[in-house]
Amino acid sequence: KAGVTQTPRYLIKTRGQQVTLSCSPISGHRSVSWYQQTPGQGLQFLFEYFSETQRNKGNFPGRFSGRQFSNSRSEMNVSTLELGDSALYLCASSFVSSATTDTQYFGPGTRLTVL
Amino acid sequence: GESVGLHLPTLSVQEGDNSIINCAYSNSASDYFIWYKQESGKGPQFIIDIRSNMDKRQGQRVTVLLNKTVKHLSLQIAATQPGDSAVYFCAENLGHAGNKLTFGGGTRVLVKP
Repeated sequence: KAGVTQTPRYLIKTRGQQVTLSCSPISGHRSVSWYQQTPGQGLQFLFEYFSETQRNKGNFPGRFSGRQFSNSRSEMNVSTLELGDSALYLCASSFVSSATTDTQYFGPGTRLTVL
Repeated sequence: GESVGLHLPTLSVQEGDNSIINCAYSNSASDYFIWYKQESGKGPQFIIDIRSNMDKRQGQRVTVLLNKTVKHLSLQIAATQPGDSAVYFCAENLGHAGNKLTFGGGTRVLVKP
């Protein structure tokens, strides 16, 4: 079974621009979560989508948004980019079972550099 | 846990020895805990998980111990190999909240041949 895929793998943008990142979950997984990883703040939760609805949200400004499609693929968008948005953006998917939580499997990430 | 930025705690271990990585978690209501391994240039890779109704769980060469009294989690790697060199993260989740992992700052493991 193919793993979580993220596109693009690398991206360079300038301040003020916006960016859209894409994530395809493992086949059969219906939950997609996004995380930001930086050297200074570590791994931080952005949001989770399940059944095309945002189920959880982290403590990020409204410039960070996301959505999920009916095939469970997800996109996240960052508007009005700032230098501090430079990070590795990770997507994780999980199969939603009767358990309250399920193992999340991560993709390779998208490395965003803001100049 | 708090991130320590670029200055990750480092565990140097001789190949073949056992490794123990420790983690303090923050929320006493968390009921699901996971260990991930991250190699340079890759996303975190799932190693093993444990739910709060257990205090020990074993996998292949790995054991996770959970002490809810002191909110402590540890990962033991038996017979550490060069391929185990990576950064290891513990993560916690509140069960009723869906998937919303809170990660520790990470520990770098260096395996010496």
